[in-house]
Amino acid sequence: GQNIDQPTEMTATEGAIVQINCTYQTSGFNGLFWYQQHAGEAPTFLSYNVLDGLEEKGRFSSFLSRSKGYSYLLLKELQMKDSASYLCAVKSNGGGYNKLIFGAGTRLAVHP
Amino acid sequence: DAGITQSPRHKVTETGTPVTLRCHQTENHRYMYWYRQDPGHGLRLIHYSYGVKDTDKGEVSDGYSVSRSKTEDFLLTLESATSSQTSVYFCAISERVQNTRETQYFGPGTRLLVL
Repeated sequence: GQNIDQPTEMTATEGAIVQINCTYQTSGFNGLFWYQQHAGEAPTFLSYNVLDGLEEKGRFSSFLSRSKGYSYLLLKELQMKDSASYLCAVKSNGGGYNKLIFGAGTRLAVHP
Repeated sequence: DAGITQSPRHKVTETGTPVTLRCHQTENHRYMYWYRQDPGHGLRLIHYSYGVKDTDKGEVSDGYSVSRSKTEDFLLTLESATSSQTSVYFCAISERVQNTRETQYFGPGTRLLVL
């Protein structure tokens, strides 16, 4: 079967660093996405990993280990506006089409 | 921002009534998707389309049908709405499945309440 696990909730302090983990089991792995979703809004794309290693984009970085079925999203210099849900999604090429399988999301609360 | 709109944005309906949600894109993307989002479940794929008149089922397709008569429009129909279909529905689009960096872009969502 296909399964994606991530923590339900996390809290952090403004200015700090937080790491959100995601573990997955899936067939036909073809990449992993992280999306940010503010309450009541649509998910927006943050990062994409298909090879092992770290991808850095400003204050956000994403890491992937395909052998371990593991990824994390690292948020540095946290700001209040980073309070949102963070969705881990695995791309599966089963059937040849771009299907994304989403985790339930991690709700991050940033406090002053 | 990708040009994706959804209508209506909010809807309240009664059990047993038909409901149609519309997704409209201005990006000329080939692939379109309908998801539902519920607490504790994340986004789940209902149906998707890989071209005009080409559609296929996702993981939670029971009770839903779709149609795509034009590239820009993807309709989701609940033939006879049930309370279990109360949810937030998101449309998404993407292009070029051969490109592994292909990203799905989401519309603003439709909040549906079935009483």
